[in-house]
Amino acid sequence: KAGVTQTPRYLIKTRGQQVTLSCSPISGHRSVSWYQQTPGQGLQFLFEYFSETQRNKGNFPGRFSGRQFSNSRSEMNVSTLELGDSALYLCASSKDGESYEQYFGPGTRLTVT
Amino acid sequence: AQKITQTQPGMFVQEKEAVTLDCTYDTSDQSYGLFWYKQPSSGEMIFLIYQGSYDEQNATEGRYSLNFQKARKSANLVISASQLGDSAMYFCAMRGSLYYNQGGKLIFGQGTELSVKP
Repeated sequence: KAGVTQTPRYLIKTRGQQVTLSCSPISGHRSVSWYQQTPGQGLQFLFEYFSETQRNKGNFPGRFSGRQFSNSRSEMNVSTLELGDSALYLCASSKDGESYEQYFGPGTRLTVT
Repeated sequence: AQKITQTQPGMFVQEKEAVTLDCTYDTSDQSYGLFWYKQPSSGEMIFLIYQGSYDEQNATEGRYSLNFQKARKSANLVISASQLGDSAMYFCAMRGSLYYNQGGKLIFGQGTELSVKP
């Protein structure tokens, strides 16, 4: 069974640009959650999508958005990038968001210069 | 509000010895779930073990066991017979409230960096 995949793995962007990250969950999983990891703030929840609907949202500005497609693949978008957006972005998938099976992808490391 | 606290920023252990990583939590929910994840330097979060609040027995997975003390709100991870490959960051996490439909959200502690010495 293939694991959670994230693309791209590494990304370098300039302040003011926008970026789109992709996450493909494990087959059969309908919930995808996104997290931002930084040395200062640790791991913080961004949002969760379930059956193409945003079910939960963390405390991030509106520049951070996401969506989920009918095949459960999810994308997150960050507009008007700031230096502080440099982080490891992780996604996790689970069948329904309520089970203990929450598996993470390898992450996308975003550097904003 | 739910909260996870890991008070050990870094730990050292000798190879083949056992080590306990501390985790305390705070929640007003009666039903909750606790996780431990390992994050090597590559960045990927690796699921280690899960404990449900209603599970009467402590969870075990190979060399990992979770010392669950509900009254003290602690969920310590015990790694037996440490190996060099166990050197990594370890995160304790709690699932969001199912009552509020937040099961897909994990709340993480700050992590403990474990170094295994040969």
